[in-house]
Amino acid sequence: ILNVEQSPQSLHVQEGDSTNFTCSFPSSNFYALHWYRWETAKSPEALFVMTLNGDEKKKGRISATLNTKEGYSYLYIKGSQPEDSATYLCASSGSARQLTFGSGTQLTVLP
Amino acid sequence: DSGVTQTPKHLITATGQRVTLRCSPRSGDLSVYWYQQSLDQGLQFLIQYYNGEERAKGNILERFSAQQFPDLHSELNLSSLELGDSALYFCASSVATSSYEQYFGPGTRLTVT
Repeated sequence: ILNVEQSPQSLHVQEGDSTNFTCSFPSSNFYALHWYRWETAKSPEALFVMTLNGDEKKKGRISATLNTKEGYSYLYIKGSQPEDSATYLCASSGSARQLTFGSGTQLTVLP
Repeated sequence: DSGVTQTPKHLITATGQRVTLRCSPRSGDLSVYWYQQSLDQGLQFLIQYYNGEERAKGNILERFSAQQFPDLHSELNLSSLELGDSALYFCASSVATSSYEQYFGPGTRLTVT
């Protein structure tokens, strides 16, 4: 994988549903994996940064895992709420230490 | 509010002109990053400065340049502007390297006419 890829591109879930999305990134020369939450008309907001294989991070109802050997990260949202509606971006950095962003997963939580 | 400030918020200028975008990082952050988001494109990394020195360079055109000053604020200079340079330009700051969270400013929307 040369680029950072996110799936799905968009997702609609009902309030209360749990959901997850995937970020795939180049596993060679891996340095760090970032997740951001980006609401319309605002700037990206940092959620997590992970660097070690097997890392798991949690912030409220949102959590993320990291597998650097196979080059993927999952973001989980438990009990989705309408205010969780946003685009979720992941970005990875390699030996050059610069972040490469995926195109994001656009989440819409329906009340 | 991330603590990162960017000015101006909006900028409209003509092709061939030169503009300067300004960014003040969060207090205590030494790294500043510049990103471009064009229509139908994701965030593209342009350049990073750490404590006044260029640390990493991405897809930054030769017509663009940046610097970070002793007070750690940064400026992105865009010259010989083309229509395709119209985009949202974000500045972000972090404590140090890319293994730390980046805090994004509100962005500057540049429109080249």
